Amino acid sequence: DIVMTQSPDSLAVSLGERATINCKSSQSVLYNSNNKSYLAWYQQKPGQPPKVLIYWASTRESGVPDRFSGSGSGTDFTLTISSLQAEDVAVYYCQQYYSTIFTFGPGTKVDIK
Amino acid sequence: EVQLAESGGGLVQPGGSLRLSCAASGFTFSSSNMNWVRQAPGNGLEWVSYISSSGSHIHYADSVKGRFTISRDNAKNSLYLQMNSLRDEDTAVYYCARGGDYGDYVGYWGQGTLVSVSS
Repeated sequence: DIVMTQSPDSLAVSLGERATINCKSSQSVLYNSNNKSYLAWYQQKPGQPPKVLIYWASTRESGVPDRFSGSGSGTDFTLTISSLQAEDVAVYYCQQYYSTIFTFGPGTKVDIK
Repeated sequence: EVQLAESGGGLVQPGGSLRLSCAASGFTFSSSNMNWVRQAPGNGLEWVSYISSSGSHIHYADSVKGRFTISRDNAKNSLYLQMNSLRDEDTAVYYCARGGDYGDYVGYWGQGTLVSVSS
């Protein structure tokens, strides 16, 4: 199975500052025939189900603020919140959907400093 | 509006069985790939199982393979998870989750149903 890791486990960022979360897969999730990385990012706020932010590693879901961006390819990926807002306090998960066994990363908790 | 409503959760003893249901509305269920994803209390997300729109492709996490069975009834717009031989570590909120509009990421989530396995 593809193992997903995330770093850091948690981070605290001042309002308006940049937050960066890293995600790494144990093997490539890039499908060469379409040049797409099968990697998604989710946001989960306390007491709520998760919500998809990014898919195909860098495509923003409709309605997601443009301060959220995804980058990377193959095995290394990054979620960036360009200017942290109070409502962005949440746990963020990456997930690969490349293999038949989908796997999530362990999550990164984002707080306000 | 896409709506996914799980039901069937509750308290069950180790070794017992439970069947979860998910009622879907607001989209063409028979064209949508579906998943079950769970989250143990205070823990992260764990993908459990996937079923394709026609039911012809089914996959399971190693942790539940041989014990859980995913199924669907497209005529009833419903997804199911039959859980047998339940263990303490199966205690979690179970989410019904629809594939995304452009791929097999999870595009839509239900509110979840809590399964507690305890003697």
